[in-house]
Amino acid sequence: NAGVTQTPKFQVLKTGQSMTLQCAQDMNHNSMYWYRQDPGMGLRLIYYSASEGTTDKGEVPNGYNVSRLNKREFSLRLESAAPSQTSVYFCASSPRGSTEAFFGQGTRLTVV
Amino acid sequence: EDQVTQSPEALRLQEGESSSLNCSYTVSGLRGLFWYRQDPGKGPEFLFTLYSAGEEKEKERLKATLTKKESFLHITAPKPEDSATYLCALMGYQKVTFGTGTKLQVIP
Repeated sequence: NAGVTQTPKFQVLKTGQSMTLQCAQDMNHNSMYWYRQDPGMGLRLIYYSASEGTTDKGEVPNGYNVSRLNKREFSLRLESAAPSQTSVYFCASSPRGSTEAFFGQGTRLTVV
Repeated sequence: EDQVTQSPEALRLQEGESSSLNCSYTVSGLRGLFWYRQDPGKGPEFLFTLYSAGEEKEKERLKATLTKKESFLHITAPKPEDSATYLCALMGYQKVTFGTGTKLQVIP
């Protein structure tokens, strides 16, 4: 049982490049989330998906887009990366009606 | 605006030396308060959810308590493997707000 799997684990981008962060969960959870974690700040929600086919903005959505491809997969896209998007990105999932979230191992992204 | 403040930022304990971590909060309507553990280079791992003042939950050497203004994570007789960053988060009406964490180091 892998839980929540994120790829890649590390990435370096040049300003203006685009990339997609991948996330998949094998726990049959309805809800999925993308967070970013920066030094001195708490985890901040970028986007979430309460169920397959729906997505909603979180606290810091600017510069990002998401796709809930199916129940298992939730991807995060940076169309034109900026140095301010240097961060550690976490994907998480939770079952319907539960407050317990399961996190992936994170993607450490550096934009130069 | 919902706010979460964790203290101390860092805590160094001798093995077996019990202590408490604090999470102070302000929220318009509390739907739940969470504690997570995060090891270096890994994602947060869920520990507890507390829903109302007076509630307590325990897991091994950890005990979480909740009042109307703060939550405490009590660590009894900690071991080196308890070393990690402990995150507090609260769920209000609109969103989940995370604190910045307390980095705990337990020395053998």
